Amino acid sequence: KQEVTQIPAALSVPEGENLVLNCSFTDSAIYNLQWFRQDPGKGLTSLLLIQSSQREQTSGRLNASLDKSSGRSTLYIAASQPGDSATYLCAVIKAAGNKLTFGGGTRVLVKP
Amino acid sequence: GAVVSQHPSWVICKSGTSVKIECRSLDFQATTMFWYRQFPKQSLMLMATSNEGSKATYEQGVEKDKFLINHASLTLSTLTVTSAHPEDSSFYICSARDQVHTEAFFGQGTRLTVV
Repeated sequence: KQEVTQIPAALSVPEGENLVLNCSFTDSAIYNLQWFRQDPGKGLTSLLLIQSSQREQTSGRLNASLDKSSGRSTLYIAASQPGDSATYLCAVIKAAGNKLTFGGGTRVLVKP
Repeated sequence: GAVVSQHPSWVICKSGTSVKIECRSLDFQATTMFWYRQFPKQSLMLMATSNEGSKATYEQGVEKDKFLINHASLTLSTLTVTSAHPEDSSFYICSARDQVHTEAFFGQGTRLTVV
């Protein structure tokens, strides 16, 4: 059974610092991995999707890497801003059309 | 990205009544929809998976007679919480995927409070 873990559970940094969020999964046979952002009381916003054949994806200040063999993904957020404060969730999917397995999330607070 | 609209965003109901939550894919055909439940400060818990025109597949421990899911069209799925009780109070989120994209798109969520 796939298990997804996110460490740390919470993170607080001053504005301008780079954020590093970790995600690990026990079964390396994944189809893709997605990073999401969730604001309090809201749904999920997809940030980046990495296919199993890819090593990384970038969008603006966000960069996500994937090391499938070691079961790890890292989300980097450069030059953090207070608006980046949210919960970040990673999720993996075993095969196309299958369900997502989520990590517990990392709550991020960026202090002005 | 594709848009998934969930309605209502919040609802308060009396214990014993039923509540229906709608999930619509606005600009794509959602062949598969997922319903999640989320408790405060916890991650999403998958409740069921539904494919258009088929019966939903429920996760272990989820009562199918209590959480009725209908996915009668490629753009609409509904979750009905029957005979709601205070312990059903939670945040419910739907997700939709089409046959082309493997990326999952999520609704805004529905905050259900049963009093």
